[in-house]
Amino acid sequence: KQEVTQIPAALSVPEGENLVLNCSFTDSAIYNLQWFRQDPGKGLTSLLLIQSSQREQTSGRLNASLDKSSGRSTLYIAASQPGDSATYLCAVLAGNQFYFGTGTSLTVIP
Amino acid sequence: GAVVSQHPSWVICKSGTSVKIECRSLDFQATTMFWYRQFPKQSLMLMATSNEGSKATYEQGVEKDKFLINHASLTLSTLTVTSAHPEDSSFYICSARLAGLNNEQFFGPGTRLTVL
Repeated sequence: KQEVTQIPAALSVPEGENLVLNCSFTDSAIYNLQWFRQDPGKGLTSLLLIQSSQREQTSGRLNASLDKSSGRSTLYIAASQPGDSATYLCAVLAGNQFYFGTGTSLTVIP
Repeated sequence: GAVVSQHPSWVICKSGTSVKIECRSLDFQATTMFWYRQFPKQSLMLMATSNEGSKATYEQGVEKDKFLINHASLTLSTLTVTSAHPEDSSFYICSARLAGLNNEQFFGPGTRLTVL
């Protein structure tokens, strides 16, 4: 069974810092990997989608990489802002099921 | 991106009553929708996969007679929590998959259910 883990569970950084969130999965047989953002009490907002054949995707200050063979993905956030504070979830699509990571709670301190 | 809506956004009900939550894909057709439950400070747990025109597939441990799912059209799936109890209080989120090469999944804003 696919297991998705995210490290760290929580992270606090001062505004302006660059940061990296990590996601690992146990089975490399995935179709794609998605990074989401979740604000407290809200649903999920899709940030980036990486197909299994791709190595990275970029959107604005966000860059996500995928190393399928090692079962790892990273989400890089450049020049962090207080508005980036949220929980970040990664999820892999394997078979017909989405497997979610445990999430990283990010706080960007002004 | 594609938009998924949920209604209601929050509901408070008495123990023993039934609650229906609607999930709609607003600008695309979704042959498959998913229902998740999220407890505080935990990740999303898949409850069931809903396919238009057929019976839902439930995950292990999810009671199909308690959580009734109806996927009547390509844009609407409903989750009915029957005879709700306080332990059913949770955040329920639906998602719809955009069929095609990307298989990107879009999530609704969630419904907060509180059972008194």
